[in-house]
Amino acid sequence: DGGITQSPKYLFRKEGQNVTLSCEQNLNHDAMYWYRQDPGQGLRLIYYSQIVNDFQKGDIAEGYSVSREKKESFPLTVTSAKKNPTDFYLCASSRLGNLGKETQYFGPGTRLLVL
Amino acid sequence: GQQVMQIPQYQHVQEGEDFTTYCNSSTTLSNIQWYKQRPGGHPVFLIQLVKSGEVKKQKRLTFQFGEAKKNSSLHITATQTTDVGTYFCAGPGGYQKVTFGTGTKLQVIP
Repeated sequence: DGGITQSPKYLFRKEGQNVTLSCEQNLNHDAMYWYRQDPGQGLRLIYYSQIVNDFQKGDIAEGYSVSREKKESFPLTVTSAKKNPTDFYLCASSRLGNLGKETQYFGPGTRLLVL
Repeated sequence: GQQVMQIPQYQHVQEGEDFTTYCNSSTTLSNIQWYKQRPGGHPVFLIQLVKSGEVKKQKRLTFQFGEAKKNSSLHITATQTTDVGTYFCAGPGGYQKVTFGTGTKLQVIP
């Protein structure tokens, strides 16, 4: 799994509740990413971070927030838990390098179900 | 912004048949990566292509980068049930970002 852990594997929350997904890596990578995997649309970037205490919005940041207080950790909070079908969230990390040429290492993912 | 499209979206093949997925970008790419995601799993890096016209092989998998560096393909010879999964291409999406293709889901019928 490339040294990246995500927890929990499954997360059930009521509509409107905020939930936080954990992502930890021990690869000493500077860059970390959060993706949402939508059926038929591939991986869509939510937020990414290149350095501690700094992060940037991706393509679908609305309704989400992140923090990067430690190099190893990049938690994602879903702030608007809408009643949608099951969403699958993937965390990834990579070295800082040359314009997207660095390999991304993914965690096992968290499946979020809103009741 | 850059878009990376893959075709087909789904493909069912009989075990032993060949399979190809195609990746097309709206802009020229400096490099392209390929990832495989097994059912219920997470994407795992397969390979990266950098040079125009580059061809790389991994056993039964052949990866190709177009001459214009705007398209790429993954060809699997004589598919096996272990090849089942979704294959993604990915290109640079800006500084330290990667843009993933829509993916091709491969199902192999024994």
